[in-house]
Amino acid sequence: GAGVSQTPSNKVTEKGKYVELRCDPISGHTALYWYRQSLGQGPEFLIYFQGTGAADDSGLPNDRFFAVRPEGSVSTLKIQRTERGDSAVYLCASSSTGGGGGQFFGPGTRLTVL
Amino acid sequence: KQEVTQIPAALSVPEGENLVLNCSFTDSAIYNLQWFRQDPGKGLTSLLLIQSSQREQTSGRLNASLDKSSGRSTLYIAASQPGDSATYLCAVSRDNYGQNFVFGPGTRLSVLP
Repeated sequence: GAGVSQTPSNKVTEKGKYVELRCDPISGHTALYWYRQSLGQGPEFLIYFQGTGAADDSGLPNDRFFAVRPEGSVSTLKIQRTERGDSAVYLCASSSTGGGGGQFFGPGTRLTVL
Repeated sequence: KQEVTQIPAALSVPEGENLVLNCSFTDSAIYNLQWFRQDPGKGLTSLLLIQSSQREQTSGRLNASLDKSSGRSTLYIAASQPGDSATYLCAVSRDNYGQNFVFGPGTRLSVLP
């Protein structure tokens, strides 16, 4: 597609539930990134994929968070046993190389955990 | 650990003014620096990308400079317009491989008509 797309745009869930957030990167981009942005703050890095593999997952806050990119294109961020503190905007970005050409961001998914 | 700060946190100016937004980072061993714009409730729009070997980049009314040795970048906006109102974020690459940006908290700009 023309840009990075993310679905859903908004997700409201109850504490303890499981959620999946989807990212569709720019066609041909091999690198994909997930970030989390809390209100009034800059995005914080979660995980980076190069192709199908997670090259760096050091930003994932705990083992409730997991992400996959099985075919090297679409990625899914999965959150188990959601907590109210998980409420944030989850941003996805992609780039054509390792980031040297800059990153292009999607519109984000706003997750609210009640 | 790389830390990025932005000053001021918020800025309000009348239309037509030239303005400067500041970004500082603690580790000068960066691969590149990118300035973004974020409108309320929206994703990030890339404005300018500066490689570590470059000193500045220009696009229209925007000019970004980079002083890697001192850990600073500035974003200059000429002849500001109400449509420039947004939050401006700077981000530096985490390492020499150009991966995984570390973001500043942003400067919230309001340009008054």
